[in-house]
Amino acid sequence: EAQVTQNPRYLITVTGKKLTVTCSQNMNHEYMSWYRQDPGLGLRQIYYSMNVEVTDKGDVPEGYKVSRKEKRNFPLILESPSPNQTSLYFCASSFSVRGHYNEQFFGPGTRLTVL
Amino acid sequence: KQEVTQIPAALSVPEGENLVLNCSFTDSAIYNLQWFRQDPGKGLTSLLLIQSSQREQTSGRLNASLDKSSGRSTLYIAASQPGDSATYLCAVSPSATDKVIFGPGTSLSVIP
Repeated sequence: EAQVTQNPRYLITVTGKKLTVTCSQNMNHEYMSWYRQDPGLGLRQIYYSMNVEVTDKGDVPEGYKVSRKEKRNFPLILESPSPNQTSLYFCASSFSVRGHYNEQFFGPGTRLTVL
Repeated sequence: KQEVTQIPAALSVPEGENLVLNCSFTDSAIYNLQWFRQDPGKGLTSLLLIQSSQREQTSGRLNASLDKSSGRSTLYIAASQPGDSATYLCAVSPSATDKVIFGPGTSLSVIP
């Protein structure tokens, strides 16, 4: 089944404890992206990647890191999480058509709480 | 800076009614526009993608149109059903980048 998977789905952690949220897709998509969703602020893009070893900042990259060592995986790293990073996180992927992303498919989300 | 708005923020309609959801963007230089639905506590499901060179896309009871010059897209839902109740989001991609900018969404409730 074609899908985007995220792990963990739920995570409660404490300030400053490094964590990684994994994202994997099995559709051979070039484009992958991370978003956070907050009440009243909507969905905002954190980072995106057009292909392996190519990553770019979205609108809210502060406090996050990403890497794209393999085409199928795009982990989101919080080196020192803070309470303002409590949010619902989504990973998405897409084929790249003529160097631009196309229809995006989303993972189920990861609900992160930082105490 | 590209900004995306959606009106109305919430909409309640009786079952069977046809309805239109609106999405507006401030910069007409977009590569594509995508409509999604999101059920409470769930991820996003892609509904329709319109490339900048297209005027509309259709899928079943859904029809999305795009007018780049006026910075508008509409999502038309025909013969609405209670199962259509969800939040509908539009997202645009500015031409010069591969960023994605989402609107705040329209919460739709279809009353049986």
